[in-house]
Amino acid sequence: DIQMTQSPSSLSASVGDRVTITCRASQGIRNDLGWYRQKPGKAPERLIYAASSLQSGVPSRFSGSGSGTEFTLTISSLQPEDFATYFCLQHNSYPYTFGQGTKLEIK
Amino acid sequence: EVQLVESGGGLVQPGGSLRLSCSASGFTFSAFGMHWVRQAPGKGLEYVSGISNGGDTTYYADSVKGRFTISRDNPKKTLFLQMSSLRVEDTAVFHCVKGRLEGSTRPNYLYYDMDVWGQGTTVTVSS
Repeated sequence: DIQMTQSPSSLSASVGDRVTITCRASQGIRNDLGWYRQKPGKAPERLIYAASSLQSGVPSRFSGSGSGTEFTLTISSLQPEDFATYFCLQHNSYPYTFGQGTKLEIK
Repeated sequence: EVQLVESGGGLVQPGGSLRLSCSASGFTFSAFGMHWVRQAPGKGLEYVSGISNGGDTTYYADSVKGRFTISRDNPKKTLFLQMSSLRVEDTAVFHCVKGRLEGSTRPNYLYYDMDVWGQGTTVTVSS
């Protein structure tokens, strides 16, 4: 199975801050990676697909980059609704696997 | 609007069975593969199972192989997960997730696959 190592596991930041979350794959997955945001009790929402493509309707403050084994999600200016948990997903090969998640909290 | 609504979760004893359902709307269900993903309390997400749009191809995680069966009813736009021989470690919120469009190839399938998730249904396995 492909292991996805996500960091950090938690992050404290303020409204307006720029934050970056990283996922590393244990083997190359091309750009077969998505980033999601999940709020408590809600369905995960996809922000980025194909590593760097912005999902329709998602604000442009979200961006993704990377290919192969190293990927990043950047939020350029945090908004109150962004305090949630973020995770990456690889769907290059079965079983699909996930990063452990990053809990973004208000400082 | 694409919507996925899971149901069928509940409390079951170890060794018991449960069938989850996922009702789909807002898209041509029969044209898309589908998946089940679960999240145990306080833990990360785990891929459980997937099925092709026609139901002829399935995939199972090793942790559920031989115990869970995925299926679908395309006319009724419903995805199922039949779970048997349930264990305490199967306790989780189960999400259904929309998969890739049949016939889509790189890079398009990356757009279609895993784009929309249901809110989930909770399965608790306990005596």
